[in-house]
Amino acid sequence: DAKTTQPTSMDCAEGRAANLPCNHSTISGNEYVYWYRQIHSQGPQYIIHGLKNNETNEMASLIITEDRKSSTLILPHATLRDTAVYYCIVRVAFSADKLIFGTGTRLQVFP
Amino acid sequence: GAVVSQHPSWVICKSGTSVKIECRSLDFQATTMFWYRQFPKKSLMLMATSNEGSKATYEQGVEKDKFLINHASLTLSTLTVTSAHPEDSSFYICSARWLAGNNEQFFGPGTRLTVL
Repeated sequence: DAKTTQPTSMDCAEGRAANLPCNHSTISGNEYVYWYRQIHSQGPQYIIHGLKNNETNEMASLIITEDRKSSTLILPHATLRDTAVYYCIVRVAFSADKLIFGTGTRLQVFP
Repeated sequence: GAVVSQHPSWVICKSGTSVKIECRSLDFQATTMFWYRQFPKKSLMLMATSNEGSKATYEQGVEKDKFLINHASLTLSTLTVTSAHPEDSSFYICSARWLAGNNEQFFGPGTRLTVL
């Protein structure tokens, strides 16, 4: 799987949008971008994934650049409960590939 | 749907004892489950891939005789930490791959192991 690069940490004010970047410059054509988050002392939680088009669900939006070398996860109105470590992973969708986690971004939402 | 449970959620044991952690897929069948270990403020590290009815595949550097994995049914995998030592203290997380659900993985809540 291609590797990803994320900032170590970010802060965001409650109610504001949190924009979490991820670089995946060596992504292959059949690899999707997945985002998970891990709240302290819990298992990871799936957020969203996409191939090349922007995606939105009830949790977040995913913006993927046209060259697919980077993406941004957007939490439109961050709350204190969104404080977590966010992991960006690239993998072939629907495959049996194991998930390899990088270091992720520790997002701190403050009041 | 797609819920994965782990038991126990936390355990404290004495050095030299063995500890068993269960991972169950509650509402789907999982032919493959994965076991991760996570140290404080570190990322998840994949330990092994557990396949129903066959031997587990261990990642490089993980002792298979130390971390025994059994995947006896389509909904249950167990990880046994044998002769646990304080350095085995960690957060252990499992995930289950839902074959009928586009191979997506769903994670359990984790088990906190503390070895005294």
